[in-house]
Amino acid sequence: QVQLAESGGGVVQPGGSLRLSCAASGFTFSNYGMHWVRQAPDEGLEWVAFIQYDGGNKYYADSVRGRFTISRDNSKNTLYLQMNSLRADDTAVYYCAKRWGNDALDIWGQGTMVTVSS
Amino acid sequence: IVMTQAPATLSVSPGERATFSCRASQSVSSNLAWYQQKPGQGPRLLIYGASIRATGIPARFSGSGSGTEFTLTISSLQSEDFAVYYCQHYNNWPLTFGGGTKVEIK
Repeated sequence: QVQLAESGGGVVQPGGSLRLSCAASGFTFSNYGMHWVRQAPDEGLEWVAFIQYDGGNKYYADSVRGRFTISRDNSKNTLYLQMNSLRADDTAVYYCAKRWGNDALDIWGQGTMVTVSS
Repeated sequence: IVMTQAPATLSVSPGERATFSCRASQSVSSNLAWYQQKPGQGPRLLIYGASIRATGIPARFSGSGSGTEFTLTISSLQSEDFAVYYCQHYNNWPLTFGGGTKVEIK
């Protein structure tokens, strides 16, 4: 079945780096744009970044632009989020999600927790 | 674009109708989606295009509106519908979500 599985979360010190991965299965990954969305503890959803199906166009939230980089490897059916210069307010569950139509998000993973703390 | 949802919490009895709203700070046309999220799970797409039910979503869920005012209605609440509901616009970048409406058992 259609599935997304995030990995790579953990505890990191402020100023540190982390790379998240999202493994896709059950659909033709290379045909779809993909998003990262995060959710701080007991908070709502915040869109983070988008990458076009072929890696061509990328968009970022102002809160992460210049620190985070979204990328993908269509040969491995995998989406990535490289996170640098991490701050305490980056602490959240990070979800990957598949684009549907003009950017509704129809398939979501279970999320991976990132904690930025000294 | 700021998305504002009301109310923050809605207390409803099983079998009753639930209606909640989402307002955009500027027009998003019909580029509006609704999601359901249960504790410990990723969100689930319910509605896109403001009123189109996603695959597998029961007919008791319906969406309406365009421009800046949107509504999600659950015609008869089932036990599995108690969750948090978010709206999201995708009219332009950046995408933004509303703060959510929690539907709890009355």
